[in-house]
Amino acid sequence: GAVVSQHPSRVICKSGTSVKIECRSLDFQATTMFWYRQFPKKSLMLMATSNEGSKATYEQGVEKDKFLINHASLTLSTLTVTSAHPEDSSFYICSARIPPLNHRNNQIRETQYFGPGTRLLVL
Amino acid sequence: GQNIDQPTEMTATEGAIVQINCTYQTSGFNGLFWYQQHAGEAPTFLSYNVLDGLEEKGRFSSFLSRSKGYSYLLLKELQMKDSASYLCAVMDSNYQLIWGAGTKLIIKP
Repeated sequence: GAVVSQHPSRVICKSGTSVKIECRSLDFQATTMFWYRQFPKKSLMLMATSNEGSKATYEQGVEKDKFLINHASLTLSTLTVTSAHPEDSSFYICSARIPPLNHRNNQIRETQYFGPGTRLLVL
Repeated sequence: GQNIDQPTEMTATEGAIVQINCTYQTSGFNGLFWYQQHAGEAPTFLSYNVLDGLEEKGRFSSFLSRSKGYSYLLLKELQMKDSASYLCAVMDSNYQLIWGAGTKLIIKP
């Protein structure tokens, strides 16, 4: 079953409004979460890395004032698209990282779980 | 429930061929994706299959059988740089992505 959830799964909003997308790790604590945007060619573009309790690290070209990320707890990160415009319409995907020592099954390797995505349509 | 299964880890030799399998059970089907992810980097798109059959793209090929809920990624002429995790993901009837846990591929000289 899913270990990372996103809410909402799809949202339609008017241009100029703000939209908040939640990413939750369901039965583990994720100190690091990632936010991606999927483009029509199916490639995933990393937007930012979200660390619990600290400011997010944004990739070059991603406007931090437009895409606000908050990682307030070990199981929740939020992405807020502020003053959304039609060009922001896309599929946003989050992932949560489990460091090797904190994996529930005590596996050694690092694991990254991806969420189901949120489809945003800005009219 | 919805489920994607792929092996956790595979080992292969440089120059050889390796096949990574993915089986799925989802509510509806709108295509299957394969991504490659090197440690510390974002996943890179490899292939998208929505119809049955084999899609070849250079050294990489992807196969889909919708009736069997099965796909595989075939990597030929393996190179050391192919050492990475390979993620299988299915888009369901709601256009949501269901992700496999990824297969870590280790290439040995």
